[in-house]
Amino acid sequence: DAGVIQSPRHEVTEMGQEVTLRCKPISGHNSLFWYRQTMMRGLELLIYFNNNVPIDDSGMPEDRFSAKMPNASFSTLKIQPSEPRDSAVYFCASSSRDRTKNTEAFFGQGTRLTVV
Amino acid sequence: AQSVTQPDIHITVSEGASLELRCNYSYGATPYLFWYVQSPGQGLQLLLKYFSGDTLVQGIKGFEAEFKRSQSSFNLRKPSVHWSDAAEYFCAVVRVGSARQLTFGSGTQLTVLP
Repeated sequence: DAGVIQSPRHEVTEMGQEVTLRCKPISGHNSLFWYRQTMMRGLELLIYFNNNVPIDDSGMPEDRFSAKMPNASFSTLKIQPSEPRDSAVYFCASSSRDRTKNTEAFFGQGTRLTVV
Repeated sequence: AQSVTQPDIHITVSEGASLELRCNYSYGATPYLFWYVQSPGQGLQLLLKYFSGDTLVQGIKGFEAEFKRSQSSFNLRKPSVHWSDAAEYFCAVVRVGSARQLTFGSGTQLTVLP
């Protein structure tokens, strides 16, 4: 398996522009998570999906942020409009939620977003 | 509130020396426990995990961790550090029965001296 795949790896955009980050989870995993990593706040959970349904988006900082999971193999995190304080590394992770099996979260390589 | 504490922001050790990174958690019940490592510019790689059973768990790259319920701790250890171990280490917890969303500690940056 190729693991969790995120694109792009790096994104530089101007303030006010729309940014879309993409994630392909590991095949067969039914939980997907978006995390953000900054120096000030460390790693924080933004939103997670279970079976393509958003379960908890309380970590999404503002209405400018939105996430979708149209199918089991794809998710997007969109920021519109972007601001310099959104600059961070965004990680996607997936895991298998199964009552009979414990699995950990597997992380993608992250997308480093810079908003200038 | 649930929380994970890594009291050491930065640790420096000499190559070949032993290592212990501290992690304490604050939860109503014993959670699932993890250690992840992040090399510069990379994602997070799982070193080891504790779900239940033997409180001393072995991980990759020669790391181990011991769960101590009485101390609410899950410290990471390695008997002999290699230069390639220089990275940032994160302790994380998952509430049992949850959807596996992780709560991370603030991380410990490890520097290895030649």
